[in-house]
Parts: sequence; C-alpha cells; structure tokens
Amino acid sequence: DVKVTQSSRYLVKRTGEKVFLECVQDMDHENMFWYRQDPGLGLRLIYFSYDVKMKEKGDIPEGYSVSREKKERFSLILESASTNQTSMYLCASSRAERVSPLHFGNGTRLTVT
Amino acid sequence: GQQVMQIPQYQHVQEGEDFTTYCNSSTTLSNIQWYKQRPGGHPVFLIQLVKSGEVKKQKRLTFQFGEAKKNSSLHITATQTTDVGTYFCAGMDSSYKLIFGSGTRLLVRP
Repeated sequence: DVKVTQSSRYLVKRTGEKVFLECVQDMDHENMFWYRQDPGLGLRLIYFSYDVKMKEKGDIPEGYSVSREKKERFSLILESASTNQTSMYLCASSRAERVSPLHFGNGTRLTVT
Repeated sequence: GQQVMQIPQYQHVQEGEDFTTYCNSSTTLSNIQWYKQRPGGHPVFLIQLVKSGEVKKQKRLTFQFGEAKKNSSLHITATQTTDVGTYFCAGMDSSYKLIFGSGTRLLVRP
C-alpha cells in the first residue's frame, strides 16, 4: 500500500520565518504534488513535479518554492512565512500516468503567528 | 481559469436518507475522480470516470459522468454514519491538470 509521509502534523511558526515542509513517498511514484486546503476553497495546487529536479507552478505558487532532489522526497518551502499562509498543507503522489489517482499524506496544519 | 463547481457545500441528513453531490465544469473534462475525506483525515481516492455517460457503483455509492463530460454526481443510497466526511470531485482537463471542487461536507444524524 502506498504511504505518503509528511514530517509534521502540526507546526507553529512566526511571521518572516523560513519554513520547510517535507514529504516522502515509498512507492517509487514519479509525480508529486503540494496542495493547500482551506475551508470552502477545496484543494488548491501550489507546485508539482513529474520527475527529479523538475518542478512546475500550480495555481497559487506565490510565496512558495519547492525542491525535489530525490525521487521519493518533495519539499515545500515558505521563504518568509506570512499569516495568510496559515493552512492545511497536503502532499500527494501518483504514478507516471497522468490519469493516475492521487495518494495523499496526512497533512501538516501550519499556523503562522 | 477553469473551475469545477461543487454543490451543495453542506448536507445534513438523517441516517437512512439518500445524499447527492454535484460537480459542474466550465469546460470538457478528460476524466473525473472522486475522493472522500473523513473528519481529521486526508482525501482518499474512491473512483475515476473516463467515458461519456459512464455510471459506476460501489455498494451504496453511485457515480455518474455526464454525456458532455462537463458534470458528474455522487449519490449515496440509505446513508450510514460511516459515510460522514467531505466528498471532493476532481476534474482533469486536457492538459492533465486536476482541478478540485470545493467539496461537500456530509453530516449524518444517527
């Protein structure tokens, strides 16, 4: 069974801090994604990657960057955290086929004060 | 940009009643996926529909994909307390980008 592990379940950071959210998957999936989930807005795509060292912007990339140095690991970076980045962050992975379903991690609830 | 609208936002039903959530896209979709997120959990893939007019069933759940591939629905017959959660549709556009609806939160009174 696919396992997608996010390093922290809850995180509290101060405005202006640099924040790293880590995600690791154990099923050799090519595709990895970062979403944020806010009430009433559903899941919005921040960044995604179809291969190592490759990244593409999603719908709301502003204020975020990503890193994919290894196939199994996809990191989301908040360069300078702001209060409007308080949210639930979900990492997901899928097989190379573009129509493959997503497998989500348990999420990281980030609070920026 | 392309959007997938999902209604209703909330639905509170008595156990045993039926439930339906609807998704509509402004453009034609390649396929549509459905996910369920239990309270405190993460979205879990339920099913994918690809063909125009396709209907699939999973026990008490019936999924439909419209003839024009712009709309979809999930119907639950005789809800149970285990059905509680938020149901998301996610439509895939021609560039293989997955666009999530805002979700329908289902509450079931025992």
